Amino acid sequence: AQKVTQAQTEISVVEKEDVTLDCVYETRDTTYYLFWYKQPPSGELVFLIRRNSFDEQNEISGRYSWNFQKSTSSFNFTITASQVVDSAVYFCALSEAYVPLTGANSKLTFGKGITLSVRP
Amino acid sequence: DVKVTQSSRYLVKRTGEKVFLECVQDMDHENMFWYRQDPGLGLRLIYFSYDVKMKEKGDIPEGYSVSREKKERFSLILESASTNQTSMYLCASSLPGLANNEQFFGPGTRLTVL
Repeated sequence: AQKVTQAQTEISVVEKEDVTLDCVYETRDTTYYLFWYKQPPSGELVFLIRRNSFDEQNEISGRYSWNFQKSTSSFNFTITASQVVDSAVYFCALSEAYVPLTGANSKLTFGKGITLSVRP
Repeated sequence: DVKVTQSSRYLVKRTGEKVFLECVQDMDHENMFWYRQDPGLGLRLIYFSYDVKMKEKGDIPEGYSVSREKKERFSLILESASTNQTSMYLCASSLPGLANNEQFFGPGTRLTVL
């Protein structure tokens, strides 16, 4: 069975600090996708990134960066120079292949989330 | 702008009532999902649907049912609400397949059962 572990439950940092959110996954699939979502206080989950299992290049988007390492089954997320607006719950997720009668499909397995608080 | 909308942001119901939570998406997505979110437990999948009139049980389907009569609408039904169903309910939709299966989420419905 698929599993996503976010061992950190709550992290509190002061503005401008760097912070890394950890994600470890388990899967038997050879092809899979990993995701990060952000849930601000308003409640709606916002998609941040999708990564496929064949692409281990790190990715950077502004202050956000992601480190994908298949050898350790990890997909960690780093926020550089954190800001108060980064305060949110962050979820890591893993796609799971699901093949109903009508054809190939998939669903996501989510971790339990990490609550990040950035203090001014 | 793509959108997933949910019928209510907040809902208060009494134990034993039948509750309908409605979700509508305007992206012509085949897949739709219902989750509940509880502190310390993350998102747990209740039911999902990969086509009209099709449904599949997720990880915690007990006490719930769903209906998908039209592609854009996916309803979650609590036949007889109980206090342990007090939670945040999130609806999502996505394209089919393993690739491009990013899920788009609605704003959530916070349900309180008294």
